[in-house]
Amino acid sequence: QSVLTQTPSVSAAPGQKVTISCSGSSSNIGENFVAWYQQFPGTAPKLLTDENSYRPSGIPDRFSGSKSGTTATLAITGLQTADEADYYCGTWDSSLLAYVFGGGTKVTVL
Amino acid sequence: EVQLLESGGGLVQPGGSLRLSCAASGFNFDRSDMSWVRQAPGKGLEWVSVLSGRNGGINYADSVKGRFTISRDTSKNMLYLQMDSLRADDTAVYYCANLHHSWGQGTTVTVS
Repeated sequence: QSVLTQTPSVSAAPGQKVTISCSGSSSNIGENFVAWYQQFPGTAPKLLTDENSYRPSGIPDRFSGSKSGTTATLAITGLQTADEADYYCGTWDSSLLAYVFGGGTKVTVL
Repeated sequence: EVQLLESGGGLVQPGGSLRLSCAASGFNFDRSDMSWVRQAPGKGLEWVSVLSGRNGGINYADSVKGRFTISRDTSKNMLYLQMDSLRADDTAVYYCANLHHSWGQGTTVTVS
């Protein structure tokens, strides 16, 4: 059971938009920055967004992060087949004194 | 270019020990928070430990506390994870990462 809760899977057609939510609590998302990571099978995770909404260099603006209260959201617009991957949210938990990840969301492009 | 390269994984018996290493380059290692994250076969990401670049502070996941030790050698830009009293449920790919930046390619640890 992960500290952060993500929907296990989402799917949409190419060109559509998907949103992935990450639900936490006051001790993690509520008071700390959230990052999102993308992982393809058999490869290492890659940072997509950090500090809730900052996109590192090279990350397309089709990927956007946001946060409201104790929920963070990753939106992917103009969905492409290349976006099929697992997506994880992560943040520091000030009570646990640990970094916590969501259980991951598998994005499928129909 | 930022690079993180792990090594030291392998097959070990339950109760045994293993030391993972991570060679860092391309960024200010001294001032970076560095973590170890693992992923069991078919499972999600699990954070293991962090060593603060600012003050050297260390934190561990409850699942490894008392068994694993994180350390670094700033003169060599190396991060380490000493893993003792290994159990079958420690079997995973172990990643070295700056969680706000980059991840290594991972090294596989099998406890059997």
